[in-house]
Amino acid sequence: GAVVSQHPSWVICKSGTSVKIECRSLDFQATTMFWYRQFPKQSLMLMATSNEGSKATYEQGVEKDKFLINHASLTLSTLTVTSAHPEDSSFYICRLRGRGETQYFGPGTRLLVL
Amino acid sequence: SQQGEEDPQALSIQEGENATMNCSYKTSINNLQWYRQNSGRGLVHLILIRSNEREKHSGRLRVTLDTSKKSSSLLITASRAADTASYFCATVAQGGSEKLVFGKGTKLTVNP
Repeated sequence: GAVVSQHPSWVICKSGTSVKIECRSLDFQATTMFWYRQFPKQSLMLMATSNEGSKATYEQGVEKDKFLINHASLTLSTLTVTSAHPEDSSFYICRLRGRGETQYFGPGTRLLVL
Repeated sequence: SQQGEEDPQALSIQEGENATMNCSYKTSINNLQWYRQNSGRGLVHLILIRSNEREKHSGRLRVTLDTSKKSSSLLITASRAADTASYFCATVAQGGSEKLVFGKGTKLTVNP
């Protein structure tokens, strides 16, 4: 069964609203979580890295005030897209790192901003 | 930033043929991984090859790594229509970083 869940799996919202995406580890403790964004027909772009209890580290060009990441526990990380605009429409995927080389990807969340 | 560059960008073959995809990268790596993604879906991890390994097999998959050329190849033998997907290489850099940086991907179409 799945070891990582993302909620919601898809969301449609109006421009200007904020959207929260949850990434949850179901049966292991994730020391590090990563958030990726994938535009249609493109590759995955790393947005930020977060460790439990500390502030996320954002990649160059990613606005930290727009994409709020909260790594509240070893099993939960949230990505909030604030004041979403149509250009934020994308597929958002989390990646969880456990002990050693253990890692899992979430199934992704498709965001469409109208 | 994207490190890996796959070629070809798109590949169309007939069922039963072999498919070879290549990936080049720029910095020294700890390991290189190959992933598969069906249209609009999540990622499936296929295989991981470490920097001190040269070749690895998993079922119909064969991965090679040439660190001197900073390149890797993924071979799928006896392809099936179900292998139709996008394939990405991703690298973990040396130095303790846990970041996984993806290449641009190869879209493989296997025609029945």
